[in-house]
Amino acid sequence: QSALTQPRSVSGSPGQSVAISCTGSSSDVGAYNFVSWYQQHPGKAPKVMIYDVTKRPSGVPDRFSGSKSGNTASLTISGLQTEDEADYYCCSYAGDYTLIFGGGTTLTVL
Amino acid sequence: QVQLVQSGAEVKEPGASVQVSCKGSGYTFTSYAIIWVRQAPGQSLEWMGWINTGNGDTTYSQKFQGRLTITRDTSANTAYMELSGLSYEDTAVYYCARNHGGLGVWGQGALVTVSS
Repeated sequence: QSALTQPRSVSGSPGQSVAISCTGSSSDVGAYNFVSWYQQHPGKAPKVMIYDVTKRPSGVPDRFSGSKSGNTASLTISGLQTEDEADYYCCSYAGDYTLIFGGGTTLTVL
Repeated sequence: QVQLVQSGAEVKEPGASVQVSCKGSGYTFTSYAIIWVRQAPGQSLEWMGWINTGNGDTTYSQKFQGRLTITRDTSANTAYMELSGLSYEDTAVYYCARNHGGLGVWGQGALVTVSS
């Protein structure tokens, strides 16, 4: 099973908005509302930013939002801040108790 | 507070096996599944498998079928991941995570280095 497709990199200036896409198939992203997004700073464990497509855990700024259309999910970060610079990974349930991750996107805040 | 604490770094020779532990605290261990994920140097996250900590049921990625075993000891609130037949390509940081609110809580990771 191939990884979900994410852009290798995105960038934005402080205060701007960026969106990171995550494209799967009708067997994973398109089939279930169980897409989550993880932020990872260098040398650190990943941190959940969005789960179940749109839900934001306690403590995650409301600048982070998630959505899904068909086989593509998206993470949008508004009001970019320098501390948002990190790698971001999407993850989807793929049926039969399996999960699949995306290839990861490096966000650069210029 | 809720946390997962993993065992330390390991160095193994090719062909050997490695076991990484993941101890949960601050919550009822048997209420949430534990997922294992690995990350090779400079690479993406890769789902390996998970265990229902309540009944011990497991599901493994097809990639690791036959050489991955995930178990748990409910008396010790600890999950274990054992990978056998190690090759250089298994060099990675191995993470456990609790399945609640997405993968809501992660261990600190355990670096496994395969080297002769």
